[in-house]
Amino acid sequence: DQQVKQNSPSLSVQEGRISILNCDYTNSMFDYFLWYKKYPAEGPTFLISISSIKDKNEDGRFTVFLNKSAKHLSLHFVPSQPGDSAVYFCAASGSGNQFYFGTGTSLTVIP
Amino acid sequence: EAGVVQSPRYKIIEKKQPVAFWCNPISGHNTLYWYRQNLGQGPELLIRYENEEAVDDSQLPKDRFSAERLKGVDSTLKIQPAELGDSAVYLCASSFGLETQYFGPGTRLLVL
Repeated sequence: DQQVKQNSPSLSVQEGRISILNCDYTNSMFDYFLWYKKYPAEGPTFLISISSIKDKNEDGRFTVFLNKSAKHLSLHFVPSQPGDSAVYFCAASGSGNQFYFGTGTSLTVIP
Repeated sequence: EAGVVQSPRYKIIEKKQPVAFWCNPISGHNTLYWYRQNLGQGPELLIRYENEEAVDDSQLPKDRFSAERLKGVDSTLKIQPAELGDSAVYLCASSFGLETQYFGPGTRLLVL
């Protein structure tokens, strides 16, 4: 049973435009959420996190929004750059338990 | 600061052979995780250590997989014997407590 879902396996965005990556979860006990970026042949790299006491968190180009009632979070960043082309994973955990990862969204930024 | 180190980066073995992976976490991180990532999927937790204690190994196939974290620092994950379905990327991550996890580059295993 997939508790964290990324329903878009792939996404293409023009360079300079905004990228929006979405993630849904089913477990209402999740209270901490993270986004990771992964390049081929490398491990996931942490991007940004948000706890359930907030509905928005910003770090540089990256903003994560959390809608607890909809059990939905999204990652926004602008301007998109070719170097942002990677697979993006969202992850969630509850009460300090294990993290559950989504299946990832492969982002391609078109020059 | 050095990141999480894993070796080997790649391993090709024949089925029924044993294989071992090694992980050195970020200095000061007491929590260590082993994940398995299949193609097109997200990482799935195999085992989590807090210091030298395995606190969550519910997803570890204990008939063929074993792990240890002696002295609460480095860790090894072993598969014996390997099966075709074990082909995957094995990721190690570490954290301070249950905060943000930082991943190593992974070991890509191919079982023939």
